[in-house]
Amino acid sequence: EVQLVQSGAEVKKPGESLKISCKGSGYSFSNYWIGWVRQMPGKGLEWMGIIYPGDSDTRYSPSFQGQVTISADKSISTAYLQWSSLQASDTAIYYCARRGGQLEWFDPWGQGTLVTVSS
Amino acid sequence: DIHLTQSPSFLSASVGDRVTITCRASQGISSYLAWYQQKPGKAPKLLIYAASTLQSGVPSRFSGSGSGTEFTLTIGSLQPEDSATYYCQQLSSYPLTFGGGTKVEIK
Repeated sequence: EVQLVQSGAEVKKPGESLKISCKGSGYSFSNYWIGWVRQMPGKGLEWMGIIYPGDSDTRYSPSFQGQVTISADKSISTAYLQWSSLQASDTAIYYCARRGGQLEWFDPWGQGTLVTVSS
Repeated sequence: DIHLTQSPSFLSASVGDRVTITCRASQGISSYLAWYQQKPGKAPKLLIYAASTLQSGVPSRFSGSGSGTEFTLTIGSLQPEDSATYYCQQLSSYPLTFGGGTKVEIK
């Protein structure tokens, strides 16, 4: 079974750093893109960026470029989303999802990681 | 960026009703569109890909159509478990934008 399992909920203070993870199993992790999606409380889905673990090719939405860093370690089948300095506005659920290939859809999705940033 | 406009943003319908959600793209995206269903507290779930192909395991009452700039998701006979928010996503070019979502309520 293809599965993405994300790290647990986080509570952080403004200005702190954070790295959340997304571990793939049941398929060849290196050969499929992994994307990240933000969902702020009560809001819709926002596409943040995507990485190809095989060669670490990464693309960002202009809205998130410079605000987060997407990375992957193919040796442990894990993708990451990280912040160097969190803000209260980063409070959201973050989902990872696998993309089948260029021009293809996202499936499956991870269960989501709730990040709460509060002083 | 390609902007996706979903309509309506909210709809309330009865069990058994036929429901249609529209997604319009700001420029042509061929058939590179997917539809997702999200229930409260859950991750999105893929329903339709390539505009009209039903994902394995998804009930046949769901269908998708369209190409270019106008797309529709239809629920042929609304069921209580279809209460959810539905999103379209374009997969044609980066950034891979989502529509604003349509919340479907059962009367």
